[in-house]
Amino acid sequence: DLQMTQSPSTVSASVGDRVTITCRASQRISRRLAWYQQKPGKAPNLLIYDASTLESGVPSRFSGGGFGTEFTLTISRLQPDDFATYYCHHYNSYSHTFGPGTRLEIK
Amino acid sequence: QLLESGGDLVQPGGSLRLSCAASGFAFTSYAVAWVRQAPGKGLAWVSVISSSGGSTFYADSVKGRFTISRDNSKNVMFLQMIGLRAEDTALYYCAKVGDYSGSPANAFDLWGQGTMVTVSS
Repeated sequence: DLQMTQSPSTVSASVGDRVTITCRASQRISRRLAWYQQKPGKAPNLLIYDASTLESGVPSRFSGGGFGTEFTLTISRLQPDDFATYYCHHYNSYSHTFGPGTRLEIK
Repeated sequence: QLLESGGDLVQPGGSLRLSCAASGFAFTSYAVAWVRQAPGKGLAWVSVISSSGGSTFYADSVKGRFTISRDNSKNVMFLQMIGLRAEDTALYYCAKVGDYSGSPANAFDLWGQGTMVTVSS
């Protein structure tokens, strides 16, 4: 079975910092990867799909990259609203798999 | 939007049917899915159904116990759950697959607020 991992599991940063989160797949998955932001008590919110396409309405400080087995989510200049948990998500025609999440906290 | 309902407290071995009512988009053109989140844990995909309802897929953890279905005439999706276990306790979200072709293979671009299922004696 395909497994998704994320690193780090927790990252501490300050407003204005640049942060990168990594997601790795146990098999090659082309670019079939999405990123979500989730805040406590709220539903997840789609940020990026197809590894690097920014969802409509998402600020341009969010960017995604990667192909195959290693992917990144970068937030270029952290804003107070960005402190949340981030999940990667692989999708294909018969299954979906989420990574375990990365918690971004204020330093 | 998506609005889930049907969550409840149920005993182990019991059954429950969740509903997800859709509005504001062409429901019949999109696949929809269920994703759950146990308290304090991460997201876990449960099931997805194609736009026509002709294709359904399940996570191994629920295969044979859960059944996904939809009624396109009423813009509603369902999750029938039987043989419930303590490990099924979670907030269940419905989510829209962001692919106008109706394929289940894409990201989830719209989520409901979830309905809570608690399995306990």
